[in-house]
Amino acid sequence: DADVTQTPRNRITKTGKRIMLECSQTKGHDRMYWYRQDPGLGLRLIYYSFDVKDINKGEISDGYSVSRQAQAKFSLSLESAIPNQTALYFCATSDLLRNYGYTFGSGTRLTVV
Amino acid sequence: EDQVTQSPEALRLQEGESSSLNCSYTVSGLRGLFWYRQDPGKGPEFLFTLYSAGEEKEKERLKATLTKKESFLHITAPKPEDSATYLCAVQDSDYKLSFGAGTTVTVRA
Repeated sequence: DADVTQTPRNRITKTGKRIMLECSQTKGHDRMYWYRQDPGLGLRLIYYSFDVKDINKGEISDGYSVSRQAQAKFSLSLESAIPNQTALYFCATSDLLRNYGYTFGSGTRLTVV
Repeated sequence: EDQVTQSPEALRLQEGESSSLNCSYTVSGLRGLFWYRQDPGKGPEFLFTLYSAGEEKEKERLKATLTKKESFLHITAPKPEDSATYLCAVQDSDYKLSFGAGTTVTVRA
């Protein structure tokens, strides 16, 4: 099984719908992150969490919310999806003590029509 | 605000033709500079971490170097399987990563 699992892998949704992307990890890492990736713009940070009680906004948090249900689970919600939220979304984890950067999931390709 | 700029955006190489990718950065309190490889439709895969100017890391045909303002990823005698997008990221004093837009490398046989 993958260390960081994202579901669903692909999703097509309509404008105005609420959608949740889920992420679970078996790395035992405290820190979890949500990024979106757009062609030519690279990865941009949406939200991050250093532990279950700590949630922080990233550079592009408007229109998104998150929930850290447990150390291993971090979900991203789009309250009312809009077409410019069409992107590839990645969840990542990190371990502060062993600084190997981030471990990424395989991504969720979201299309808002 | 941390900034990472990668060049070129795209690089087309013939098999065996060595080249270098550039990553220039500004960051407050650099804790590390990371290189990742990303294949289409997949998440980035960790390659290297560099912590201080003058440091070098190697893995197969890849070699990463670091100065105070930039990092280079050298690809020596590339093969078609080296085709991918290579991402550079800097880690700041809060351990957050800021990514560049990437360089897409295509190696033709």
